[in-house]
Amino acid sequence: GESVGLHLPTLSVQEGDNSIINCAYSNSASDYFIWYKQESGKGPQFIIDIRSNMDKRQGQRVTVLLNKTVKHLSLQIAATQPGDSAVYFCAEWVGGGGNKLTFGTGTQLKVEL
Amino acid sequence: EAQVTQNPRYLITVTGKKLTVTCSQNMNHEYMSWYRQDPGLGLRQIYYSMNVEVTDKGDVPEGYKVSRKEKRNFPLILESPSPNQTSLYFCASSDRRNTEAFFGQGTRLTVV
Repeated sequence: GESVGLHLPTLSVQEGDNSIINCAYSNSASDYFIWYKQESGKGPQFIIDIRSNMDKRQGQRVTVLLNKTVKHLSLQIAATQPGDSAVYFCAEWVGGGGNKLTFGTGTQLKVEL
Repeated sequence: EAQVTQNPRYLITVTGKKLTVTCSQNMNHEYMSWYRQDPGLGLRQIYYSMNVEVTDKGDVPEGYKVSRKEKRNFPLILESPSPNQTSLYFCASSDRRNTEAFFGQGTRLTVV
């Protein structure tokens, strides 16, 4: 079946360093991808999105890269701060008429002081 | 303020006692959905609704019911809860598919 997965369950970085969180997807028909951040005790919050007609999109301190050839998505966080500590999920709307927003299992980002 | 509101935030109940978790959004969104979140399994979709009176099963619909009588509300119903339905539940809404989804704060349900 279709799946969205993550390479690493936990990522530890030093404050001020850049973080890279990876995500693999298997549905080649997917045309819209979203990164969410979930802090402890809260619901997922939108960070950034990208459509399949783009390779890169930048926000404030965050960049999402999409490689459709290898079905890979990454979230880059510049100058990681303690407030960035959270679980990060990639999600995709399954294309081809699909009506599901499907999530990966998540990556725990820990920022060390 | 644009938001998705779930109630209750915490609930402990006993096996077999029917319960309803409410979800309401104030953004006039057409699309609403319910997810459960379990350790190591991420967010799994239970049911979704494309519009009023239009609902469909997600990936894990067994043991759950939903209704969409009004655009803003999408309650999740557990007719006969069982311990394997102990989980963290999230409601989400979006203007339509292929757009950003907004999430509620979650409902932590424990079935004993």
